[in-house]
Amino acid sequence: DIQMTQSPSTLSASVGDRVTITCRASQSISSWLAWYQQKRGKAPKLLIYKASSLESGVPPRFSGSASGTEFTLTISSLQPDDSATYYCQQYNTYPWTFGQGTKVEIK
Amino acid sequence: QVQLQESGPGLVKPSQTLSLTCTVSGGSISSDTYYWSWIRQSAGKGLEWIGRISTRGSTNYNPSLKSRVTISVDTSKNQFSLKLSSVTAADTAVYYCARELGILDYWGQGTLVTVSS
Repeated sequence: DIQMTQSPSTLSASVGDRVTITCRASQSISSWLAWYQQKRGKAPKLLIYKASSLESGVPPRFSGSASGTEFTLTISSLQPDDSATYYCQQYNTYPWTFGQGTKVEIK
Repeated sequence: QVQLQESGPGLVKPSQTLSLTCTVSGGSISSDTYYWSWIRQSAGKGLEWIGRISTRGSTNYNPSLKSRVTISVDTSKNQFSLKLSSVTAADTAVYYCARELGILDYWGQGTLVTVSS
């Protein structure tokens, strides 16, 4: 299976801060990577697909980028509503696999 | 707006078979474009993709669960189902169904299944 490693596991930032979450794949997945946001007690919500494409209805403060097997989710200006856990997922090779999650807290 | 809803027992005894159904509303499940997936989330293993089915009945399963998993579809009811046999406490998790095309763009709310005697 392709291993997806996210960092950091948790981060605490202030409203308005720029926040970056990294996801590293254990082998090449081209750009077949998605990012999800999960709030407590809810299902994950798709934010980004194909590494950098913004899902319809998602605020433009969210963006994704890729460099080789390293992928980044950036929140340009953190908002209170962004407090959640974020997951990456590769869909290049079966079985699809997820990162372990990054919990974002608001200071 | 597509909506998905999981249903099934919340408690299953060890060694028995877990059975869940996902009902799709707001759109037809009979689309050649999409697959229909099951995913689970436990404290110990995070998010784990279980497998998927197309409306033509083509399936892909996670090799770690393949020997115990069956996913089926009933287009007449706009539903698809999951069966997981020989369950143990390690199968205790929140189970989600989702619409899939690699990416999982619509999810059900999830249902907690506990394996315990």
